[in-house]
Amino acid sequence: EADIYQTPRYLVIGTGKKITLECSQTMGHDKMYWYQQDPGMELHLIHYSYGVNSTEKGDLSSESTVSRIRTEHFPLTLESARPSHTSQYLCASSEWFRDTTYEQYFGPGTRLTVT
Amino acid sequence: ELKVEQNPLFLSMQEGKNYTIYCNYSTTSDRLYWYRQDPGKSLESLFVLLSNGAVKQEGRLMASLDTKARLSTLHITAAVHDLSATYFCAVESTQGGSEKLVFGKGTKLTVNP
Repeated sequence: EADIYQTPRYLVIGTGKKITLECSQTMGHDKMYWYQQDPGMELHLIHYSYGVNSTEKGDLSSESTVSRIRTEHFPLTLESARPSHTSQYLCASSEWFRDTTYEQYFGPGTRLTVT
Repeated sequence: ELKVEQNPLFLSMQEGKNYTIYCNYSTTSDRLYWYRQDPGKSLESLFVLLSNGAVKQEGRLMASLDTKARLSTLHITAAVHDLSATYFCAVESTQGGSEKLVFGKGTKLTVNP
């Protein structure tokens, strides 16, 4: 079983608040990802990282930012939350060796509601 | 740009029946993944298919990959209620020099008694 954790699991906040969604993994994986998923819909990649001090934007434009100061930790921050940010956010990690990405393991998700 | 299409998007079937979910993708890739998602939950890895002709089976589910046809199938044999979930295929893209997964829209499977 994959060891990847997300907190909080559920969050309801007001418009304009700054929030940080936490993601940690204990598998030593170099690559980490953030996906956004509306209920019953496909996943959209919003950020990913190849390792410490590496961050890249994904396919879906997002007003969030990420950082990767430690291998195991990949937090996502929204400076000013809006109702359009209401969604489920899934964190994932994978091994990456010699330009080959391996299977992604997903965390339990954070369900965010912005009122 | 890699596009991944699944069909059907919704599937309602009776227990005991067989069915196949299809996953087509638009550009060359040798790596394809199947995931399962229960309502309100995260994604659980089902199969990793790494080469042409790969076939993997787990219980009532069997997945295969034809890289020449750019097609993967997920076959369900004698469905049971516990298989009700949304199934996603994901294909590895190496466009732009970065490796990432592109997901299909998912197939929502409902197995009725």
